[in-house]
Amino acid sequence: GESVGLHLPTLSVQEGDNSIINCAYSNSASDYFIWYKQESGKGPQFIIDIRSNMDKRQGQRVTVLLNKTVKHLSLQIAATQPGDSAVYFCAENGSGNTGKLIFGQGTTLQVKP
Amino acid sequence: DAGITQSPRHKVTETGTPVTLRCHQTENHRYMYWYRQDPGHGLRLIHYSYGVKDTDKGEVSDGYSVSRSKTEDFLLTLESATSSQTSVYFCAISDKVTYEQYFGPGTRLTVT
Repeated sequence: GESVGLHLPTLSVQEGDNSIINCAYSNSASDYFIWYKQESGKGPQFIIDIRSNMDKRQGQRVTVLLNKTVKHLSLQIAATQPGDSAVYFCAENGSGNTGKLIFGQGTTLQVKP
Repeated sequence: DAGITQSPRHKVTETGTPVTLRCHQTENHRYMYWYRQDPGHGLRLIHYSYGVKDTDKGEVSDGYSVSRSKTEDFLLTLESATSSQTSVYFCAISDKVTYEQYFGPGTRLTVT
């Protein structure tokens, strides 16, 4: 797979490869992080979340890694498929327990057949 | 889209006119949010509601007002639309103070 580095706007991967999308979050008080997927013309869709007391969480074909030391979050997608093509956003809750989210600017994932 | 509808889906309006966007949910969720999405800015919170008649400002609330008179409806009003408010507007809901929000399909607003 390819490692993007901190917020490159577009990641292009070959179908079947693993994808890694990175995100730097801003608020050290954030204790909840979420990844959303947004397909063209649709609203964002929840993928996976992780709390600050965890370093890693796995879902179906996706894994989120959290490094609090450097305020870094990553989303790994295994065996990337054409249907994974979308914009991926990380979000953090900031300080306080208000339900509000702060979104990153997003990374576009393009899957090449 | 988890029982969330937005209306209208597309609107073109002139500078200075009032505009109201509607978000309707059938999930009976307590929390509702309005975001705008612009290139280079991601999603930014305009206003949110934590119950009927309970609303609060987000990070980009200037020029917008909201109302929530029923659990299922959250209205966003632009009192006097400006070109800087051309954007895609998303409504979201959540059932408690959790961060898993469900988004509607969006409204594309163009102010000429």
